[in-house]
Amino acid sequence: NAGVTQTPKFRVLKTGQSMTLLCAQDMNHEYMYWYRQDPGMGLRLIHYSVGEGTTAKGEVPDGYNVSRLKKQNFLLGLESAAPSQTSVYFCASSEDRENTEAFFGQGTRLTVV
Amino acid sequence: AQSVAQPEDQVNVAEGNPLTVKCTYSVSGNPYLFWYVQYPNRGLQFLLKYITGDNLVKGSYGFEAEFNKSQTSFHLKKPSALVSDSALYFCAVRDMAPGMNRDDKIIFGKGTRLHILP
Repeated sequence: NAGVTQTPKFRVLKTGQSMTLLCAQDMNHEYMYWYRQDPGMGLRLIHYSVGEGTTAKGEVPDGYNVSRLKKQNFLLGLESAAPSQTSVYFCASSEDRENTEAFFGQGTRLTVV
Repeated sequence: AQSVAQPEDQVNVAEGNPLTVKCTYSVSGNPYLFWYVQYPNRGLQFLLKYITGDNLVKGSYGFEAEFNKSQTSFHLKKPSALVSDSALYFCAVRDMAPGMNRDDKIIFGKGTRLHILP
């Protein structure tokens, strides 16, 4: 049972390039989240999804897009990367009950130069 | 909208002493509260949660947390700290406002770095 898997683990992009981060979970969870972690800022919610085909904006959605075409996958896209998007990105998932905790992936370290 | 505050960037405790990591929250409905721990270059690991019931919640690795509704706090505690407890700790909240005000977001604090000194 792999839990939450993020690919890639590391990536360096040039300013203006695009990329997609993939999050896959094998726990049949309804809810999925994308966070970014920056020093002194903690974890900030980018986008989230409460089920297949749904997405919603979090605290810092600008510059990112997401898709949830399949229940087990939640994709985070950067259309035109900027140095301000240099961060560690974490995906998480949880059951569709309010009292359940989220399970996290190992993170993707993205550097935009 | 819900929010979480962790007022201390860093907490230093001598090994064997009790430790407390502070967390306060703001929600419009009832809160569901969580603590997570992050070790270097790793993802977040769940420690414990408060949903309802007893205000003292016990979790993994000997940690516990006390929910205080009047002070809107959920401080993490451990009676005797270990060097291996050194890590980054995050408090998180989900706002369980009813009906149309329901919000499925889990919001995290900025984190508190815990240093246990041998």
